[in-house]
Amino acid sequence: AQRVTQPEKLLSVFKGAPVELKCNYSYSGSPELFWYVQYSRQRLQLLLRHISRESIKGFTADLNKGETSFHLKKPFAQEEDSAMYYCALIPGGYNKLIFGAGTRLAVHP
Amino acid sequence: DTAVSQTPKYLVTQMGNDKSIKCEQNLGHDTMYWYKQDSKKFLKIMFSYNNKELIINETVPNRFSPKSPDKAHLNLHINSLELGDSAVYFCASSQEGRNYGYTFGSGTRLTVV
Repeated sequence: AQRVTQPEKLLSVFKGAPVELKCNYSYSGSPELFWYVQYSRQRLQLLLRHISRESIKGFTADLNKGETSFHLKKPFAQEEDSAMYYCALIPGGYNKLIFGAGTRLAVHP
Repeated sequence: DTAVSQTPKYLVTQMGNDKSIKCEQNLGHDTMYWYKQDSKKFLKIMFSYNNKELIINETVPNRFSPKSPDKAHLNLHINSLELGDSAVYFCASSQEGRNYGYTFGSGTRLTVV
């Protein structure tokens, strides 16, 4: 079965510190992977897609097929990065976005 | 100009009532979804419609009935509301065959008292 695991419910860091939000997935094929962000009481917004290999707001994520991971990283956290972050996958050929449980990132001044 | 819009934003109602949430997208997408976000912030898909046809029904109780009058609209009707239905419901849309991810609405916070 397809599954996304985000092992940390809460990640608390100080401003300027590096951030890594962990995401592991379980899927035998080639998934499409995404990171979504939800700021307080707002809609989910697409942050990154693995296929585009882009950097948004200083965040990057690399797909590691060997470790089945798609960790989200930022070298220097900002207070405005505080939000819920969801890792998600779409199994190949099946248009259904499956979310992990989410990690709350709290960046302190 | 909102891409995916939901109404109402907030809904407070008593147990046993019937209520509807509406969703509209102006992105020209062919697939729409309903997700439920529970009190622990976990997001779970409920339904998916592609060109007005039901594609995914994730073992949601029969009290929940989605309706898609056209591919730009997907409404959610809930009968006999229960306390456990309290959650935030998100509508989303996507274009099949493209890997741009989903575009989400701003959510409807349903509180059943």
